[in-house]
Formats: sequence, structure tokens, C-alpha cells
Amino acid sequence: AQSVTQLGSHVSVSEGALVLLRCNYSSSVPPYLFWYVQYPNQGLQLLLKYTTGATLVKGINGFEAEFKKSETSFHLTKPSAHMSDAAEYFCAALANTGNQFYFGTGTSLTVIP
Amino acid sequence: ETGVTQSPTHLIKTRGQQVTLRCSSQSGHNTVSWYQQALGQGPQFIFQYYREEENGRGNFPPRFSGLQFPNYSSELNVNALELDDSALYLCASSFWYSTDTQYFGPGTRLTVL
Repeated sequence: AQSVTQLGSHVSVSEGALVLLRCNYSSSVPPYLFWYVQYPNQGLQLLLKYTTGATLVKGINGFEAEFKKSETSFHLTKPSAHMSDAAEYFCAALANTGNQFYFGTGTSLTVIP
Repeated sequence: ETGVTQSPTHLIKTRGQQVTLRCSSQSGHNTVSWYQQALGQGPQFIFQYYREEENGRGNFPPRFSGLQFPNYSSELNVNALELDDSALYLCASSFWYSTDTQYFGPGTRLTVL
């Protein structure tokens, strides 16, 4: 079975600073990987996903993530944080032969003005 | 094109009762997945429905059951509610051939007293 680990349940950054949210997966076969964002009292919104091909994936709202097979990582970055980025972020994995998503426990991002 | 909708928004039940949660898929999507998100945790896969049949199940007991209707809408039923069932229940819809792209509803917040 897959497992997804998000390092840091809470991350605070200053407005304009780099955002880095960490995600590692555990699987012998690289899965499809995803980042979702959840705003209070809302469902999950897909930020970006990696399935195959280019390992640097660009998503919405200026976010991007890089798949590194050697490190089994899929960290999310954004060069300059905006106040509207404050939310809960979830990394998820999907076996490329399966239909079950495995989510990490989430990272709460706070942006300090 | 309407997105994924869920009803009710909030629900309060007592231990031992039964509950039914409803989900309407995004237009044209024929696959529905249900997730349980406990407070402070990532979503956990309950099950998926395709062609009105269960197509994959996570680590949840049989008292969690579901239905999918010909119009692709879905219900999640939970019998003999326990306090630990208190959570946000999310449904997500997708096309069968593209389950890596799931669209999430806003969720139903269930509180069991």
C-alpha cells in the first residue's frame, strides 16, 4: 500500500517569501502524485499533479512541484507567498493501476503580513 | 456545468443512529468516490462506485455502505454511528477512464454525540 508523509503540520512564511511544503511517498513503483489545497469549510481543489513525463509540474496560483524519484519526494513550492495562499495543503498518491488515493495528514500554511 | 454538490452541509446525530449523505456528481462524471476526513487529518478513502457497483474499498467496516444511481448521483450510508465517525465526508467525481482527475464536493460535516 501507498503511504504519504508530509513533513511539518504547520508552516509559517512572510508575505513575499518562498513557500516550501514537503511531501514524501512510500512505494516501490512511483505513483501518480498530487497536491490539493483546502480552504476553511470547503472541499479539496487540485493544485497540480504528476503522472508521467516532465518531473517539474506547474500548477495553478503560481505553485509548482518537482518529482524526484531518487528521493521519493514531491515537494510543493511557490516563489512568493501571498496572503490568499493561507490554507491547508494535502499531498496525495494514486497507484497508477489503482483507484484509491492516499493522502498525507496535511500542512497548514500561514502567511504573515 | 455544475460542480459536485453534497447534502446536507451539516448534520448532528447520536451514537447508534443511522445517517445518509448525498452527492451529485459533476455533469457527465460516472465514477464517485467517498472519503472521510477526521479533524486534523487527511481524507481517507472509503469506497468508489462505478456503474452502480462498488469498485474498490478502503479500510472501513461494512456498516459503511453506499449506492450509486443511474444518474450517477450517490449516497453514503453509515449504520450504528460511533463517536469516531464524526468527520467531514467528502465525495469526488470523475470519469471512469480518468480517475486521477477527481473533483471534490464541499463535504458534509457529521457530528456524532
